[in-house]
Amino acid sequence: EDQVTQSPEALRLQEGESSSLNCSYTVSGLRGLFWYRQDPGKGPEFLFTLYSAGEEKEKERLKATLTKKESFLHITAPKPEDSATYLCALRGYQTGANNLFFGTGTRLTVIP
Amino acid sequence: DVKVTQSSRYLVKRTGEKVFLECVQDMDHENMFWYRQDPGLGLRLIYFSYDVKMKEKGDIPEGYSVSREKKERFSLILESASTNQTSMYLCASSLGGAGNTIYFGEGSWLTVV
Repeated sequence: EDQVTQSPEALRLQEGESSSLNCSYTVSGLRGLFWYRQDPGKGPEFLFTLYSAGEEKEKERLKATLTKKESFLHITAPKPEDSATYLCALRGYQTGANNLFFGTGTRLTVIP
Repeated sequence: DVKVTQSSRYLVKRTGEKVFLECVQDMDHENMFWYRQDPGLGLRLIYFSYDVKMKEKGDIPEGYSVSREKKERFSLILESASTNQTSMYLCASSLGGAGNTIYFGEGSWLTVV
């Protein structure tokens, strides 16, 4: 059965203090690992898709990496506007071609 | 830019009422989805549609139905709303085929009293 576990549940950082969010997964056959950002009361906003181990994607202060068991979202020198919940989701052969299986998210707070 | 629009952001309905949630996308996407999001449970798929008039059940279809009469529009229907359907509902869309990114709307907050 496909599984996604995100840690930590919540993370508080000082502005400029770099850190990483973890997404551990088990999947029958990975078709894609997705990262989304969700602000309170809004829908998830797409950030990255990773398809194979060793792949990396970057956007501003965010960098996503992928191994065969985990994905990390690295946040370098975060700013208060990076505060949000970050969701990891995967699509596997068991999940089906058209669905995503979501983790419960990491709630990030960046303090000025 | 990708645009998924949900017609109602906030709704309050009474138990037993019929509720319609409407969603429109402007990207000519084949796939459309309805999810609900609850604290501690994450996003769960209710239904998805891969073509006009075509639908498949997701993980939690009980108590819901859907309608897709046009490619750009996907409706979620609660035939008889109950308090356990109080939740945030998210519509989404994607191109057909595996591996394509799913894009979400802003969400509809439904409270059933």
